[in-house]
Amino acid sequence: LAKTTQPISMDSYEGQEVNITCSHNNIATNDYITWYQQFPSQGPRFIIQGYKTKVTNEVASLFIPADRKSSTLSLPRVSLSDTAVYYCLVGDPHSGSARQLTFGSGTQLTVLP
Amino acid sequence: NAGVTQTPKFRVLKTGQSMTLLCAQDMNHEYMYWYRQDPGMGLRLIHYSVGEGTTAKGEVPDGYNVSRLKKQNFLLGLESAAPSQTSVYFCASSPLKDSNTGELFFGEGSRLTVL
Repeated sequence: LAKTTQPISMDSYEGQEVNITCSHNNIATNDYITWYQQFPSQGPRFIIQGYKTKVTNEVASLFIPADRKSSTLSLPRVSLSDTAVYYCLVGDPHSGSARQLTFGSGTQLTVLP
Repeated sequence: NAGVTQTPKFRVLKTGQSMTLLCAQDMNHEYMYWYRQDPGMGLRLIHYSVGEGTTAKGEVPDGYNVSRLKKQNFLLGLESAAPSQTSVYFCASSPLKDSNTGELFFGEGSRLTVL
């Protein structure tokens, strides 16, 4: 099964750049990497998705090396409202259906003033 | 456009009772999922559906049943609730895409307590 490994927690200060790395050694050729953000008592929310190299949108960047066995979510200039759990998600290459999706344990990011 | 709606949002059950959680999406998505999230834990996939009339097991399917009789609805049933099923349940949907990881749209969650 495609599993992901992330740090359990990270602390940062307001205004700093935060990088969260996810390992996914069993990623499949056709799999994409997606990151989600979850606030307490809410469902996860899509942040960014990529396949290789670098993807950037208005809230984050995603860096994926050539071997695709890991990925790094980069949040520029974090604020207190970025305090949340961040999940890295990849498709399950061994599933009978390509749509079975597995969340890892996530990374609790705490932004300090 | 409501997105993904879950009902009920809160429920307290006694051990052995049965109940059904309803998930409805108005985005015409093909794929739907039920997850559970225990305190301080990540989401674990219970069951999922790749289309109307089809369902499949996820990581933790025991004690749950699902049905997808209509494309827009995905029901999660507990036939005989147990305290171990106390959790927050999230429904999600996703459009049909070529990639293996399409964007998931989540509901607000249903908090279930089994006494």
